[in-house]
Amino acid sequence: DQQVKQNSPSLSVQEGRISILNCDYTNSMFDYFLWYKKYPAEGPTFLISISSIKDKNEDGRFTVFLNKSAKHLSLHIVPSQPGDSAVYFCAASGNFGNEKLTFGTGTRLTIIP
Amino acid sequence: EADIYQTPRYLVIGTGKKITLECSQTMGHDKMYWYQQDPGMELHLIHYSYGVNSTEKGDLSSESTVSRIRTEHFPLTLESARPSHTSQYLCASTDGRAGGNIQYFGAGTRLSVL
Repeated sequence: DQQVKQNSPSLSVQEGRISILNCDYTNSMFDYFLWYKKYPAEGPTFLISISSIKDKNEDGRFTVFLNKSAKHLSLHIVPSQPGDSAVYFCAASGNFGNEKLTFGTGTRLTIIP
Repeated sequence: EADIYQTPRYLVIGTGKKITLECSQTMGHDKMYWYQQDPGMELHLIHYSYGVNSTEKGDLSSESTVSRIRTEHFPLTLESARPSHTSQYLCASTDGRAGGNIQYFGAGTRLSVL
């Protein structure tokens, strides 16, 4: 049973527009959420995270929104750039002392020049 | 930025061979992890370690084994490789401080067993 779900396997966005990647989770014990970016033949690179005590975290062009009641988070990238084309993974973990990450299946983002 | 290294990056090997995938980190992190990922799928945790001489199996059953004799080194071994072991293997580490579950990943080893 998949506890972290990314229901869109792929997404295409015009350069300069906003990219919105979505993630849903089922385990109410998750309280820390992360987004990773992965290029082919490379390891995932950490992008941005959010604690369950917040509903928004921003870092440059990247913003993560968390809706705990809906068990939903999203990553917004604005403006989208060609270098953003990659696979994006959502991940979740429990409290301190239980840092194992549970990953979604990823969304392949393609930025169209 | 993280300093975590995996070798080899690519490995093609015949069935029945013994292989060891290397993972080293220079950050002094206590916690290290091995994941397995197939194309289009999520990363599955197969082993983890919270310190020297501590290893645990992850959520996905794996025929591989690991050891943690030194903080910086967390190798993964397959005693007898099979085609079903073909996958990408990713190593990660974290300092696990409160509020920071960020795991830093190596570049991965893509294993093909013929």
